[in-house]
Amino acid sequence: GAVVSQHPSRVICKSGTSVKIECRSLDFQATTMFWYRQFPKKSLMLMATSNEGSKATYEQGVEKDKFLINHASLTLSTLTVTSAHPEDSSFYICSAYNDRTDTQYFGPGTRLTVL
Amino acid sequence: QQQVKQSPQSLIVQKGGIPIINCAYENTAFDYFPWYQQFPGKGPALLIAIRPDVSEKKEGRFTISFNKSAKQFSLHIMDSQPGDSATYFCAASMSEGSSNTGKLIFGQGTTLQVKP
Repeated sequence: GAVVSQHPSRVICKSGTSVKIECRSLDFQATTMFWYRQFPKKSLMLMATSNEGSKATYEQGVEKDKFLINHASLTLSTLTVTSAHPEDSSFYICSAYNDRTDTQYFGPGTRLTVL
Repeated sequence: QQQVKQSPQSLIVQKGGIPIINCAYENTAFDYFPWYQQFPGKGPALLIAIRPDVSEKKEGRFTISFNKSAKQFSLHIMDSQPGDSATYFCAASMSEGSSNTGKLIFGQGTTLQVKP
């Protein structure tokens, strides 16, 4: 099956710093990737759609200047949480769309804790 | 209209039982309905998915039943095992052209516990 990786798996940072999370499709090319946020015991909330070579599309209520998304290649999308605050602490999950199998595959998630 | 409503919120069954999780949607433009399984601290994994042109799809112990007129679909897990204990999410999306690159709208999730 298709593999999507995320790095780091866990990150702890101080309030005010920026954190970058990488999402890679390891064995397929993905023109479209998605970023989700998940709170404990809650569902996945779509934050933005990342398209290779173009600007990301953000969902309503998601601050584009706070959550910077770059999809620079067909196998890599990055999410940068800028000037992180404790309320940004969450589980961030990406997914990548595989054209060949017509299926979205999810990464293992990144646990962000902002102190 | 973009919501997908999932029930129950939690479910406990004995080993060998058949848990059933239900989802309902409003938007008739949805044309792809996947189910995901998520273990604590992990990302969701695709279990099985269906499109509206069929009423049932079976893969191993997992079956999706789809009722287009009622705008409902459900997941059945046959011969459930303790290892099936996880959170299950239904989702729905609309295709863009001929592929389902459309964003997924997730249900609220169901926490399943299968007792030995």
